[in-house]
Amino acid sequence: GAGVSQSPSNKVTEKGKDVELRCDPISGHTALYWYRQSLGQGLEFLIYFQGNSAPDKSGLPSDRFSAERTGGSVSTLTIQRTQQEDSAVYLCASSLTGYYGYTFGSGTRLTVV
Amino acid sequence: QQQVKQSPQSLIVQKGGIPIINCAYENTAFDYFPWYQQFPGKGPALLIAIRPDVSEKKEGRFTISFNKSAKQFSLHIMDSQPGDSATYFCAASVEGGSEKLVFGKGTKLTVNP
Repeated sequence: GAGVSQSPSNKVTEKGKDVELRCDPISGHTALYWYRQSLGQGLEFLIYFQGNSAPDKSGLPSDRFSAERTGGSVSTLTIQRTQQEDSAVYLCASSLTGYYGYTFGSGTRLTVV
Repeated sequence: QQQVKQSPQSLIVQKGGIPIINCAYENTAFDYFPWYQQFPGKGPALLIAIRPDVSEKKEGRFTISFNKSAKQFSLHIMDSQPGDSATYFCAASVEGGSEKLVFGKGTKLTVNP
């Protein structure tokens, strides 16, 4: 596609429910990143994929967070047993050449009530 | 060690003014310093980036100044326009590995007509 597509754009969920956030990267981009942006904060790195492998998961805040990538393309970020502190904008970025060419999606705004 | 400190948090200038946003880092391994521009409801977009082997880089009205010894870098916007009103993030990364970006907390710039 022309850009990085994320869905849904907005998600409201009840505390304790599981949520899945989807990212469709730019076709051919081998690197894929998930970041989290909380109100008034910068972007916080969550996880990095190269192809289908995740060599850097160091930013996942707890074991409630997991992510996978299939076919070297679509990625899903799953948050289990959501908590109010999980409320944030979750941003996905893809790149052909690593950090030289990050393209971000518009994000999924997650609200846990 | 991994932080990037950004200031000011917010900035208001008149059209034609030259807003300056500053960032400082501690990790001397950082070797890539991009600036991102984010409009409400959108993901960040790469604006300009610099490597530590140069002290200044200019692209159009945007200039990065880099002081390696002080571990500081800044963004200058010449002849600012109301359309430049956005949130600006500095970031830093280490080449190799995941090439994840460490972001500052952002500066909300308002350019009044």
